Amino acid sequence: DTEVTQTPKHLVMGMTNKKSLKCEQHMGHRAMYWYKQKAKKPPELMFVYSYEKLSINESVPSRFSPECPNSSLLNLHLHALQPEDSALYLCASSQGGSYGRYGYTFGSGTRLTVV
Amino acid sequence: AQSVAQPEDQVNVAEGNPLTVKCTYSVSGNPYLFWYVQYPNRGLQFLLKYITGDNLVKGSYGFEAEFNKSQTSFHLKKPSALVSDSALYFCAVRPSSGGYQKVTFGTGTKLQVIP
Repeated sequence: DTEVTQTPKHLVMGMTNKKSLKCEQHMGHRAMYWYKQKAKKPPELMFVYSYEKLSINESVPSRFSPECPNSSLLNLHLHALQPEDSALYLCASSQGGSYGRYGYTFGSGTRLTVV
Repeated sequence: AQSVAQPEDQVNVAEGNPLTVKCTYSVSGNPYLFWYVQYPNRGLQFLLKYITGDNLVKGSYGFEAEFNKSQTSFHLKKPSALVSDSALYFCAVRPSSGGYQKVTFGTGTKLQVIP
């Protein structure tokens, strides 16, 4: 298995809703990442997990809450989002923890629309 | 601070012609350099990387890139473009030393291959 699987592919949520994005990989990668990408822009790093521990939080608002239940799963819990949070949310993983020299494997993303 | 410049927002090339997508970088010390491709409504796909060694790096789908330390460049090339190569291309850089180092992405270059 050489993929990062993200669910759901599309999500529409109201500003008072609570929802979660899920990311799964079975490649044995020990670093996992959440990125946010606006249209025609580069991905922006949100969080880094290395060996299931949160190692980087790029000053992301608390309405985004990451969770790494085990080495294969990464969740992003969403609460009280704003319309400007609408974007493509990408999960990625890499070998050997976040210190490695390896390229990232990205999932196809969750297209989030906040109404 | 590290940075990546992709000077062209869009590159147009005729099918069958060689293509070049430009990337220059700035980083402290030696770089790790990456190219990714993104098709519409998809995540990024890893194409190739430069870590050390041979300056000419070969990657997926017939792409290659040449690392030029004196010009701090890492241009992506392909000898013969296909219509299916039309996509958004991102160059990325991180320092090679110093523990966890954030990957910085360029702003992206849209490649349009004309039949």
